[in-house]
Amino acid sequence: EAGVVQSPRYKIIEKKQPVAFWCNPISGHNTLYWYRQNLGQGPELLIRYENEEAVDDSQLPKDRFSAERLKGVDSTLKIQPAELGDSAVYLCASRRTSGSTDTQYFGPGTRLTVL
Amino acid sequence: AQRVTQPEKLLSVFKGAPVELKCNYSYSGSPELFWYVQYSRQRLQLLLRHISRESIKGFTADLNKGETSFHLKKPFAQEEDSAMYYCALTPFSGSARQLTFGSGTQLTVLP
Repeated sequence: EAGVVQSPRYKIIEKKQPVAFWCNPISGHNTLYWYRQNLGQGPELLIRYENEEAVDDSQLPKDRFSAERLKGVDSTLKIQPAELGDSAVYLCASRRTSGSTDTQYFGPGTRLTVL
Repeated sequence: AQRVTQPEKLLSVFKGAPVELKCNYSYSGSPELFWYVQYSRQRLQLLLRHISRESIKGFTADLNKGETSFHLKKPFAQEEDSAMYYCALTPFSGSARQLTFGSGTQLTVLP
């Protein structure tokens, strides 16, 4: 099994440009998470999906960040426009169901550099 | 609000020496604690969780509710243990089950 798939792995853009990240969770995993990991820090949750519904987006900077999971499977996280402070690793994780003791499985991440 | 603190950003030990990675947490309810590990050029993965009470790759961690700690220990470190280690917490109750991570400890095991 491929595990959680993310693309691209690396992205370099200039500030004010838009950028999008894609995530395909493990088959059968209903819960999907997007995390941001700043340099020297642990991952911090941005948004959590249960199937296609965003049930926790309190940490998502909604002025410039948006996310979608239209068919309850893969998901896209977008930043528009990007700022210098958005440089980080964006991690996607999935789990079979929320509220259970199932493990979260992480993707390899997308490393974003904003110049 | 929950918080996880890992006081050591860097930790170096010699091969065969004991190692302890510290983790302290603050949470008003009953938490579940985890250790995640990220080896070089690999993805973040679960190492162990306190409810399993098992030893993984020789590592153990005991939840101390009195000291609100969940330190990770291994009696004899190996070079392949060199990695980034993150302590994480999630509430036992509620449906969110979201993870709160510490800032991580980079462990280097010297030959």
